[in-house]
Amino acid sequence: DTGVSQDPRHKITKRGQNVTFRCDPISEHNRLYWYRQTLGQGPEFLTYFQNEAQLEKSRLLSDRFSAERPKGSFSTLEIQRTEQGDSAMYLCASSLALQSGAQETQYFGPGTRLLVL
Amino acid sequence: GENVEQHPSTLSVQEGDSAVIKCTYSDSASNYFPWYKQELGKGPQLIIDIRSNVGEKKDQRIAVTLNKTAKHFSLHITETQPEDSAVYFCAAGGSQGNLIFGKGTKLSVKP
Repeated sequence: DTGVSQDPRHKITKRGQNVTFRCDPISEHNRLYWYRQTLGQGPEFLTYFQNEAQLEKSRLLSDRFSAERPKGSFSTLEIQRTEQGDSAMYLCASSLALQSGAQETQYFGPGTRLLVL
Repeated sequence: GENVEQHPSTLSVQEGDSAVIKCTYSDSASNYFPWYKQELGKGPQLIIDIRSNVGEKKDQRIAVTLNKTAKHFSLHITETQPEDSAVYFCAAGGSQGNLIFGKGTKLSVKP
């Protein structure tokens, strides 16, 4: 078990460019979450998947953001036409959904820090 | 909407002293309350969690208490060490299966 991994760790881009981030969850975890964290704030929920199905999206996830988890394993988060306000740390977390329905423990990756110039 | 308030925003203690961080939440349906430690440039790391059927949980120097009636929960760290210095986040389970985080407490432990 190598933990949640994210790639790249850092990304600098110019306004208007598209960027894509990848998250590899802990193996056998069926849930995968994306959060965004700005300086001095706690992580904010963006979206999550159970297996390959995207089950929830936050109002924070504008039309420029799209996430996929095509085979129920790794996930990608794409931001189109980046804006300076998109600069943040993008965090991925994974968990194993409990049959009891109780909220499960989420394990976070190291994050991808995005800077939009 | 769902909200988690966390206090204080900064906390400075002497090595060996105790540290207490407090959180309140708004959604009475929340039943899961984890605490995360985040070091500079790293992702949040789970340090302890508690579910609503339990009032207190302890793991060595770390303890968490929960008062569901008042919608309060707290993190207690005893015998603090310099390596405890980090930003600590409380969170509550949200209705979408996500976590709602507080704004964080920057803990500094002075040797």
